[in-house]
Amino acid sequence: KQEVTQIPAALSVPEGENLVLNCSFTDSAIYNLQWFRQDPGKGLTSLLLIQSSQREQTSGRLNASLDKSSGRSTLYIAASQPGDSATYLCAAPLYNTDKLIFGTGTRLQVFP
Amino acid sequence: NAGVMQNPRHLVRRRGQEARLRCSPMKGHSHVYWYRQLPEEGLKFMVYLQKENIIDESGMPKERFSAEFPKEGPSILRIQQVVRGDSAAYFCASSPNSGGELFFGEGSRLTVL
Repeated sequence: KQEVTQIPAALSVPEGENLVLNCSFTDSAIYNLQWFRQDPGKGLTSLLLIQSSQREQTSGRLNASLDKSSGRSTLYIAASQPGDSATYLCAAPLYNTDKLIFGTGTRLQVFP
Repeated sequence: NAGVMQNPRHLVRRRGQEARLRCSPMKGHSHVYWYRQLPEEGLKFMVYLQKENIIDESGMPKERFSAEFPKEGPSILRIQQVVRGDSAAYFCASSPNSGGELFFGEGSRLTVL
């Protein structure tokens, strides 16, 4: 069984700070892990997909790392901006399926 | 290159009516997934389909819910005889291959009165 946990549940920071969002998963036999962003009342936007053979992926100010042995992934946001305010979700697949198990998310607010 | 298109965006139904939610995957994607997000809860997997085939429906309630992805046209999630507990946001996602990156639509928000 795969369980995904995200901490913190909520985070409020001033603009310009560097942030780390944490995701842990119980079943390390995953083939990838995906990070998403969800704005209120909207769908999910894919941010980064990390394959099991990779240790990290970068896109602009975002960097995601994956440590399968410890069952952890982190999303690093550099130089945060108010536009980064959203809920960030990580998702890991259930073993041997295409079924993604989502964490409950970290609600981020970046204030000017 | 349009993304995943879902309609309707909002749907209101009275108890006992039927709800039909449609999803057109991204161009070139033949794998479709439906997820449900209840108020203040995380996303839960419902069903995974490939063209004309249901691959995994383990997350879908056994009664009243059905899904299809015909050879032509969008994927349909159908909820018969809706109840208040069906009120939720229903998200569709598509992928070009099994285990690939998922791309989500904007969701269909169902309200049952």
